[in-house]
Parts: sequence; structure tokens; C-alpha cells
Amino acid sequence: EAGVTQSPTHLIKTRGQQATLRCSPISGHTSVYWYQQALGLGLQFLLWYDEGEERNRGNFPPRFSGRQFPNYSSELNVNALELEDSALYLCASSAWTGLDTQYFGPGTRLTVL
Amino acid sequence: EDQVTQSPEALRLQEGESSSLNCSYTVSGLRGLFWYRQDPGKGPEFLFTLYSAGEEKEKERLKATLTKKESFLHITAPKPEDSATYLCAVHPGAGGTALIFGKGTTLSVSS
Repeated sequence: EAGVTQSPTHLIKTRGQQATLRCSPISGHTSVYWYQQALGLGLQFLLWYDEGEERNRGNFPPRFSGRQFPNYSSELNVNALELEDSALYLCASSAWTGLDTQYFGPGTRLTVL
Repeated sequence: EDQVTQSPEALRLQEGESSSLNCSYTVSGLRGLFWYRQDPGKGPEFLFTLYSAGEEKEKERLKATLTKKESFLHITAPKPEDSATYLCAVHPGAGGTALIFGKGTTLSVSS
């Protein structure tokens, strides 16, 4: 069974541009989570989508946004990129909301120059 | 404030030298504790979920245990391929389903 997939693997942008990151969950999973892992920091929760709706968001500015499509795939958009947005962005999926284990994808490395 | 602290930050072992990693947590109400393994530049790989104090789970050379305030990941007779960063995360009792992660313990096993 295929795991969580993310694209692109690497993304290089300049300050002020917009970035779009994509995630496909494990088949049958309806919840998608986005995390940011900056160098030297732990994973920080960004957004949670379930059944097409944003259910919760972490302590990040509104320029971090996203959506979930009817097939449960998701995209994360980061507007007005700043240098400190450079990080590994991880997507995870789970079978249902609540306590189910979250399984992670390989991540997208975003570099802002 | 919900918090997860892992220690030590880094651990160097010789092949076959057993040791333990610690994860201490303060949360309003624990609904689950998770251990993940992360290789450099890759996504975390799920290892274990623990739900209640006294619970233990094993997988190959790894054994995870849980008390009311902390969890241990015991590594028995480690091999070089066990080298990775081990992440602990908790699912708090309130406020959505976001996991709260510790900063991890980076394990290096030399032959």
C-alpha cells in the first residue's frame, strides 16, 4: 500500500513569492495534517483538514493557508514568502480524527532566497 | 502549557551498547504518546503508540514504556542502522488533534 506522498521534493523561491506544496494521503485516510520543521526546531503544527474542512490551525500567520480536495489530497499555500519560511514541510494523514496514528510523507524542502 | 522534553539531545553508542531515551511531558490530559524515527531530510517513520501508564510495546531492538509523566525508548544491542533522530509526540486531551513534538534525540551507533 502506498504511503503519504508529497510534491515537489524540493522548492526554491525568492522572498515575496508564493509557494504551493501538495500532499496525497494514504488511501482511505480522510484527515491531513501539515507540519513545519525548521532547522534546529521541532515539528510545529500548521493545519489540519478533515472531510474538506479546515478543523484546526497552529500559531502561524494567515499567509499560511491550504485546502483539501474531494479526493482528500491537500495543498499548502504560503504567500509573501519570508526567509524564515525555509524549512522541511511535512504532511501526515490518519484514518479518522481523534487519536488515530498520523503517518508522515517524505516532506518538501522549501528554500527561500 | 503543554510541553514535551526529550533527553539527551544527542547520544553516541557503540554497537551492542544498550541505552534508553527519555521523553517527559506535561499535558492537560494525555490521549496518546507516539514515538517516531526520522532519518536526515526524510519524514518521520511511525514506531509506537502508547495510551496508558504501564503500557509497553516492542519492535525488534526497540521497546517503549509509558508512565504518568514520561516515556522511555529502550534500545537493546543497537546496530549502526539504528542511527537516527527519535521523536516523541503527545496527543493532548483538549484542543484538536495536533501532536505536540519534542525536539528529538539524535542517536549515533558506531561499529
